[in-house]
Amino acid sequence: GAVVSQHPSRVICKSGTSVKIECRSLDFQATTMFWYRQFPKQSLMLMATSNEGSKATYEQGVEKDKFLINHASLTLSTLTVTSAHPEDSSFYICSAQRGGGNTEAFFGQGTRLTVV
Amino acid sequence: GIQVEQSPPDLILQEGANSTLRCNFSDSVNNLQWFHQNPWGQLINLFYIPSGTKQNGRLSATTVATERYSLLYISSSQTTDSGVYFCAVPFNQAGTALIFGKGTTLSVSS
Repeated sequence: GAVVSQHPSRVICKSGTSVKIECRSLDFQATTMFWYRQFPKQSLMLMATSNEGSKATYEQGVEKDKFLINHASLTLSTLTVTSAHPEDSSFYICSAQRGGGNTEAFFGQGTRLTVV
Repeated sequence: GIQVEQSPPDLILQEGANSTLRCNFSDSVNNLQWFHQNPWGQLINLFYIPSGTKQNGRLSATTVATERYSLLYISSSQTTDSGVYFCAVPFNQAGTALIFGKGTTLSVSS
């Protein structure tokens, strides 16, 4: 099956700093990738859609200036959490689909962010 | 927007028991996926099943698209089956991003 790789798997940072998370499609090209967030004991919620070569689309309530998304190539999307606060502590996970819409989605391993 | 409901929210089983997890969705969809989230958070793809029935070892799934539900069957459960099971459907007909149910937390004890 398709493989999506995410790095790092776990990060601890200080309040006010920025953290970058990478999401790579390893064996296919993805013009679109998706970023989700999951708080403890809750479900996954879509944060934003990352579009190769254009601006990301953010879901309502997600601050685009705080969560910077860059999709500079067909195999890499990055999510940067800027000026991190403790309430940004969460599990962040990306996904991509090999064949575009209405095809099977594959997820990265996820990144557990703790802001202290 | 489309709503996804899963039941039961929690399930406790003895090893060897069978179980059925249900996913209801409020609108017609072009695809549906089942995932198992392991203790480390990783989402494992179980089934991509827009309609019909599929089987993979002790797991099988059935989606009845016209009645807007899907079922995940786990037979002869093992402790390694423990975790959270999610179903997810596309936000829209373009079929890109997914909306997830709240999940079923399964605990299998030996």
